[in-house]
Amino acid sequence: AQSVTQLDSQVPVFEEAPVELRCNYSSSVSVYLFWYVQYPNQGLQLLLKYLSGSTLVKGINGFEAEFNKSQTSFHLRKPSVHISDTAEYFCAVIQTGANNLFFGTGTRLTVIP
Amino acid sequence: DTEVTQTPKHLVMGMTNKKSLKCEQHMGHRAMYWYKQKAKKPPELMFVYSYEKLSINESVPSRFSPECPNSSLLNLHLHALQPEDSALYLCASSQGLWKAPNYGYTFGSGTRLTVV
Repeated sequence: AQSVTQLDSQVPVFEEAPVELRCNYSSSVSVYLFWYVQYPNQGLQLLLKYLSGSTLVKGINGFEAEFNKSQTSFHLRKPSVHISDTAEYFCAVIQTGANNLFFGTGTRLTVIP
Repeated sequence: DTEVTQTPKHLVMGMTNKKSLKCEQHMGHRAMYWYKQKAKKPPELMFVYSYEKLSINESVPSRFSPECPNSSLLNLHLHALQPEDSALYLCASSQGLWKAPNYGYTFGSGTRLTVV
């Protein structure tokens, strides 16, 4: 069994401030980790993914995430947010040997001018 | 072409209607997926097709009937739905079931379904 916990359902942040969106997971086997963004009335867009190797992963739009195996975390960060970053962010996992993308409950990021 | 196209974008249907959702991709992907997303909730997997064959059915009620007529097209046939079935229905594709982690999923923009 697997689970994904996004601790913050809503994160308001001022424009040009840094932001961290938290994601913790639990799984009995190794996992692959993903962050997706969903803009209003849109589908899901992949921001970044961790499969193996370097634990610091850089994605699109200036986002990055760090895989921490001991803390079973995969937090998403951006040093300076823009208004256009306002969206819903989903952390997701796939267990190795599986093919079902399993999502966390999402974090609503609101960037305040 | 790097997109997954879903039609229609919006659909309102009565509980006695029959309608279909369509999903199309021309990336050569051999795995296709239907997800259901209720308001303010994460997407939940409904069906997975691999090489045009149904691979996973997540105990979805029979009023939802998927169909994969060819490698580029995925349909979801709807019949006798309930108001609680109102949701955003997302289609996704990947190169293959077992390649998905490496190459990722491509999602469509979804069909927003309202059942009245």
